[in-house]
Amino acid sequence: DADVTQTPRNRITKTGKRIMLECSQTKGHDRMYWYRQDPGLGLRLIYYSFDVKDINKGEISDGYSVSRQAQAKFSLSLESAIPNQTALYFCATSGGTERDYGYTFGSGTRLTVV
Amino acid sequence: AQRVTQPEKLLSVFKGAPVELKCNYSYSGSPELFWYVQYSRQRLQLLLRHISRESIKGFTADLNKGETSFHLKKPFAQEEDSAMYYCALKGGGYQKVTFGTGTKLQVIP
Repeated sequence: DADVTQTPRNRITKTGKRIMLECSQTKGHDRMYWYRQDPGLGLRLIYYSFDVKDINKGEISDGYSVSRQAQAKFSLSLESAIPNQTALYFCATSGGTERDYGYTFGSGTRLTVV
Repeated sequence: AQRVTQPEKLLSVFKGAPVELKCNYSYSGSPELFWYVQYSRQRLQLLLRHISRESIKGFTADLNKGETSFHLKKPFAQEEDSAMYYCALKGGGYQKVTFGTGTKLQVIP
């Protein structure tokens, strides 16, 4: 079983719709992150959370919001989706005794906004 | 501000040839550097960390603070090495990780 799970794996939505991407982890990590991946731009940080009560904006937070429902769950919302939010979205975790070991990534959610 | 630069979008080498994926960084403190790999249709996974000085799948990377570089090297490329490679730097007050734009390694049989 995957230790960082993202749902859905693929999603097509219309411009203006609200959509939520979910991430859950069984790693016991305290830190969770949302990145988007675009060709030629690499991974850019959207939001990050170091615990349930600590949520911070990343480089490109405009148009996005997040919710840390529990230590194991971190959701990303697009309140009103627009086509340039079409991308591959990754959730990542770090922390605990593996804090120095880098991130553990989910499999990604491919979002298309039409 | 911290920045990671991977100057090559695509690197093509023949099987058995040496590989060097370049990574340069900008950071005022002591950086922690990583290489991540993403095989086709798979999640990103950690390849190696500079602090461990390990060799994974034949790859090594040495932190050169004078040149602010962390190039990834392998003496003999294999076809299964074909993937996207991302260099990443961890730093700052919140220990955030900044990724480079990635280099696609294509190993030609």
